[in-house]
Amino acid sequence: AQTVTQSQPEMSVQEAETVTLSCTYDTSESDYYLFWYKQPPSRQMILVIRQEAYKQQNATENRFSVNFQKAAKSFSLKISDSQLGDAAMYFCAYGLTGNQFYFGTGTSLTVIP
Amino acid sequence: KAGVTQTPRYLIKTRGQQVTLSCSPISGHRSVSWYQQTPGQGLQFLFEYFSETQRNKGNFPGRFSGRQFSNSRSEMNVSTLELGDSALYLCASSFGRYNSPLHFGNGTRLTVT
Repeated sequence: AQTVTQSQPEMSVQEAETVTLSCTYDTSESDYYLFWYKQPPSRQMILVIRQEAYKQQNATENRFSVNFQKAAKSFSLKISDSQLGDAAMYFCAYGLTGNQFYFGTGTSLTVIP
Repeated sequence: KAGVTQTPRYLIKTRGQQVTLSCSPISGHRSVSWYQQTPGQGLQFLFEYFSETQRNKGNFPGRFSGRQFSNSRSEMNVSTLELGDSALYLCASSFGRYNSPLHFGNGTRLTVT
């Protein structure tokens, strides 16, 4: 079965600090992509960052970076210099060939001013 | 470039009725996927259409159906509504490859009373 687990339903971080959101997944496939999406109160899911499973190098997008451990099937998101606008629900997901995507249950991030 | 458009944004229906939700993808995207989002369950995959053909299907009862038109616009239909169908329904479009990120609409909030 294809599953994605986000073990932290809620997280909080002080503004300007760093926070790491955890994600583990289970798949027998070798070729896949990993994604982090952000869903603010406006409900629109926004792509934050993506990682190719065949690449060893961790993806980085401005203040957002990932720690991808393929053997451990772990894909955590690090947010540096947290801003108030980062407050949202964050979903981890992976996509398989055939365009099938699987999502975790989300982590609600609160940014404390 | 216009984003993914979902209509309506809110819908209130009575148990036993049926409902149709609409999704217009980003221009050039041939894949449209539908997800059901409920608190604690995250995003559950309903189905995906590519070039008017259903390519993938999630584990939902036959009351949930969809279709895609030649202009890639998609509709989702739920018949014989149940209270448990109350959810946020998200539509996402993409180029249809697993490494193509999904682009989401704002969703339709369905409430069944």
